[in-house]
Amino acid sequence: LAKTTQPISMDSYEGQEVNITCSHNNIATNDYITWYQQFPSQGPRFIIQGYKTKVTNEVASLFIPADRKSSTLSLPRVSLSDTAVYYCLLGGSSASKIIFGSGTRLSIRP
Amino acid sequence: SAVISQKPSRDICQRGTSLTIQCQVDSQVTMMFWYRQQPGQSLTLIATANQGSEATYESGFVIDKFPISRPNLTFSTLTVSNLSPEDSSIYLCSVVVEGQGNNQPQHFGDGTRLSIL
Repeated sequence: LAKTTQPISMDSYEGQEVNITCSHNNIATNDYITWYQQFPSQGPRFIIQGYKTKVTNEVASLFIPADRKSSTLSLPRVSLSDTAVYYCLLGGSSASKIIFGSGTRLSIRP
Repeated sequence: SAVISQKPSRDICQRGTSLTIQCQVDSQVTMMFWYRQQPGQSLTLIATANQGSEATYESGFVIDKFPISRPNLTFSTLTVSNLSPEDSSIYLCSVVVEGQGNNQPQHFGDGTRLSIL
């Protein structure tokens, strides 16, 4: 399974846009890119998933360049409640196992 | 998505005993997985719980230590046997809900926090 690399931690302030980039140089042709958010004492929560270009939902946007060797999760106007660990994952199908990397610990300050 | 309930949410156990964790889903799902998350660490896949057949274990995890049952499409159990302090972790189940497309994400329960005395 292809490996993903993310920054270990990031800090930002309320109201700012936060972009977390994930590198996946060896992504396979059939891999989708999925991002999860995890709060303390909770299981990971699905945020967004994409294959190429740009995907947007009510909480985030996902930007994927043409070569798909990286992806960027964009959180608009963050609040204190966005403080969490964010994981970037690759997976080829619903039946395929996913491998969690170390994730990015995002801290939002007032 | 699906509503995933894990029981117990937390427990404290003695060395040498076993704990069985239940995962109940509010809809039938094909794929169910069990993960371990050690303190301050990321998630590690233990096994895929297969309905009607033996679970598929990842490297480093064996059936004798982590027996898994999957009697139907909405329920699974993970037992952590012969507990030692190194087993202190959060154990999570996840499911894939059938939907359009072949790339449905996994959805997770909130985990069982296990501490060993």
